Amino acid sequence: GQQVMQIPQYQHVQEGEDFTTYCNSSTTLSNIQWYKQRPGGHPVFLIQLVKSGEVKKQKRLTFQFGEAKKNSSLHITATQTTDVGTYFCAGRRGFGNEKLTFGTGTRLTIIP
Amino acid sequence: EADIYQTPRYLVIGTGKKITLECSQTMGHDKMYWYQQDPGMELHLIHYSYGVNSTEKGDLSSESTVSRIRTEHFPLTLESARPSHTSQYLCASSEVGARDTEAFFGQGTRLTVV
Repeated sequence: GQQVMQIPQYQHVQEGEDFTTYCNSSTTLSNIQWYKQRPGGHPVFLIQLVKSGEVKKQKRLTFQFGEAKKNSSLHITATQTTDVGTYFCAGRRGFGNEKLTFGTGTRLTIIP
Repeated sequence: EADIYQTPRYLVIGTGKKITLECSQTMGHDKMYWYQQDPGMELHLIHYSYGVNSTEKGDLSSESTVSRIRTEHFPLTLESARPSHTSQYLCASSEVGARDTEAFFGQGTRLTVV
């Protein structure tokens, strides 16, 4: 079945440092979504990427979808304490009725 | 804020009891999902539905069952709870379309079986 792996599993960074998490799928994806889950909370949608090689930015967050549509990355510039949480990528192999498979997640901890 | 609700938020129950976790959404979404998540760990898809009378098993084998008699309601049932079922259960929903939209999650039910 479809597998979606993320690295690293954990990341501790000093406040103000940059952070990157990488997402790799065993199969080609039709799209990739990114979610953030705060400690004790539920996943909240951040963004969706659809096109090969697509790059999108949300303030300090930069999202990229690989050319082969099998990998993606999320980069946070100058982390803040509010960035704490677990970041999940999620993908589907096709549009319509394909199930949404989540990646293994990267837990980000910020050292003040 | 998303209109998807899960009850109860917390449940402590004895081994062998039958339980039903409720999930309702008022957004008219056809797709609904159940994920199981241990604290700080990845989300495992255990059930999903494309619409009324449609249910499928997810990637993680689960002893739970689901039903989808109404669009807005997607309950999950455990006939005989065991300590191994202790986990957080997250329900989600999304629209069906040519371009997929985001999944909205409920607050989750934290289940403890003693």
